[in-house]
Amino acid sequence: EVQLVESGGGLVQPGRSLRLSCTASGFNYDDYAMSWFRQAAGKGLEWVSFIRTKVYGETTEYAASVKGRFTISRDDSKGIVYLEMNSLKTEDTALYFCARVGTIFGVVKNFDYWGQGTRVTVSS
Amino acid sequence: DIQMTQSPSSLSASVGDRVTITCRPSQRISNYLNWYQHKAGKAPKLLISVASSLQSGVPSRFSGSGSDTDFTLTISSLQPEDFATYYCQQTYSSPYNFGQGTELEIK
Repeated sequence: EVQLVESGGGLVQPGRSLRLSCTASGFNYDDYAMSWFRQAAGKGLEWVSFIRTKVYGETTEYAASVKGRFTISRDDSKGIVYLEMNSLKTEDTALYFCARVGTIFGVVKNFDYWGQGTRVTVSS
Repeated sequence: DIQMTQSPSSLSASVGDRVTITCRPSQRISNYLNWYQHKAGKAPKLLISVASSLQSGVPSRFSGSGSDTDFTLTISSLQPEDFATYYCQQTYSSPYNFGQGTELEIK
């Protein structure tokens, strides 16, 4: 059974940093790109970031709202994808989800399994 | 960026009803369109991929259709467990934007 479990959320002051983790199990993690999403209270889903597999150079993509502040990375030996969040703003407050990426020859098709999320609150 | 317009934003319906949700991207996206179901406190669930492909384990009362700039999600006979929020999402190009969501409520 595919499982994704996020951790690392919490309360943090504006301008500070936080690192989220997503631990994967139940599938061959090395073969899948991974992604992060978020949902602010009362709002819809927002794609945040994406990292390809080693075969595709572990290349990354970011939403404009987080580019230059957030960094996605992966540790294939542990089956974990990380989201390093720097220079946090109050508008980054949200429930953060990780998801497995379904691809065809490296092209994104869907996000087929998701975790239940970890909450990040940015407030002074 | 491709903007996704989803309608309606909310919908009240009864068990057994047939409901349709539409999604219109701001440019042509071929069939790079997915539908998700999300219940509060739960992980979002992929229902339909590439416009019309039902994911394994998803009941056949769910169906998707459309291409390029006009897509629909249909639930043929609503069941109690279907009351949730539904999102369309394009994967034609980054950023992989979602529609604003359709909250499906019990009438």
